[in-house]
Amino acid sequence: KAGVTQTPRYLIKTRGQQVTLSCSPISGHRSVSWYQQTPGQGLQFLFEYFSETQRNKGNFPGRFSGRQFSNSRSEMNVSTLELGDSALYLCASSIKTGRSSSYEQYFGPGTRLTVT
Amino acid sequence: KNEVEQSPQNLTAQEGEFITINCSYSVGISALHWLQQHPGGGIVSLFMLSSGKKKHGRLIATINIQEKHSSLHITASHPRDSAVYICATHSYDKVIFGPGTSLSVIP
Repeated sequence: KAGVTQTPRYLIKTRGQQVTLSCSPISGHRSVSWYQQTPGQGLQFLFEYFSETQRNKGNFPGRFSGRQFSNSRSEMNVSTLELGDSALYLCASSIKTGRSSSYEQYFGPGTRLTVT
Repeated sequence: KNEVEQSPQNLTAQEGEFITINCSYSVGISALHWLQQHPGGGIVSLFMLSSGKKKHGRLIATINIQEKHSSLHITASHPRDSAVYICATHSYDKVIFGPGTSLSVIP
């Protein structure tokens, strides 16, 4: 079974531009989460989608948005890029393992975004 | 005060040693997640637990909900265990990550 894929893997953008990142979850996984990782802040939760609905959202400005399609693929968009948005953006897909709060999560390789 | 704390921040061990990494948190959670990240590599989910103990190979994770504390143990450590280990708390509406523990296992 193929793992979580993210495209593109590397991206360079200029301040003020916008960017769209894509994530394809493992087949059969309906939950997709997005995370941002920076050297200064570490890992931070962006949002979670399940069956095309945003379930949770982290503490990020409205410039960060996302969506999930009917095939569970997800995109996240960052508008009006700032230098501080330079980070590794990770996507993870999840599937419940039967118990209410227990699930398996698999991470993609990430998209390295550099804003200049 | 950080909501999720880990100790130690850095750890160097000799191959074969028993290793413990600690994670403490300040709010109620539904589950705690242990992750492993190799240098330059991706993130691997190790354990998701909400009570008791889980074991997979040489890795053991425990959680004490009352004390808001979890530990990750590595038995018979090996250089390939060198990585950053991160704990994350899951609650109803958010996920909070600890700062990570950088482990280096020397042959």
